[in-house]
Amino acid sequence: DTAVSQTPKYLVTQMGNDKSIKCEQNLGHDTMYWYKQDSKKFLKIMFSYNNKELIINETVPNRFSPKSPDKAHLNLHINSLELGDSAVYFCASSQDRTYNEQFFGPGTRLTVL
Amino acid sequence: SQKIEQNSEALNIQEGKTATLTCNYTNYSPAYLQWYRQDPGRGPVFLLLIRENEKEKRKERLKVTFDTTLKQSLFHITASQPADSATYLCALNSGGYNKLIFGAGTRLAVHP
Repeated sequence: DTAVSQTPKYLVTQMGNDKSIKCEQNLGHDTMYWYKQDSKKFLKIMFSYNNKELIINETVPNRFSPKSPDKAHLNLHINSLELGDSAVYFCASSQDRTYNEQFFGPGTRLTVL
Repeated sequence: SQKIEQNSEALNIQEGKTATLTCNYTNYSPAYLQWYRQDPGRGPVFLLLIRENEKEKRKERLKVTFDTTLKQSLFHITASQPADSATYLCALNSGGYNKLIFGAGTRLAVHP
């Protein structure tokens, strides 16, 4: 039983293309997150949604747009992909937006050529 | 500027010994700190959370300390095993909600 799942696991695309990554959690959590882990392994928060409401929006290019159709899903759409967008993107969820552990998905490795 | 720092070098220890990993931070006032384990090609897995009013937390062979005066957390794995080899990430909360700031991680290698 996968708790937090992401698709696809690998994504290879050309510069300038638009792509989406999907995330689903079956834990019944209220809060979901998107993180980016670059080649130096730093894991950085990008966005967070609580019950479909955007609550964390870090300094991220507006080419990145999260969408939460319901509290179990948080998708990430990226327009006009650039070389620097190559990274591993992780989705995570937590019970609510207060202080507690986060459950991470397996990651999506995005490579922009 | 705000920083969160972990041992940048890999930590190599012998099986059965205690591994101690360090997490230092500056210009943050976290209400809590968390430790995660990350294996190659996988997402981080939560290990322990310690709050600012707690000095120490234990879970099986794991122990975390949190010193808000020194602005430091120590993460200990006792009786280490080769299966403990992984990268360990510390994370602290910043601002409201459950916003976590992660350190770069320390890679631990436990040798038989």
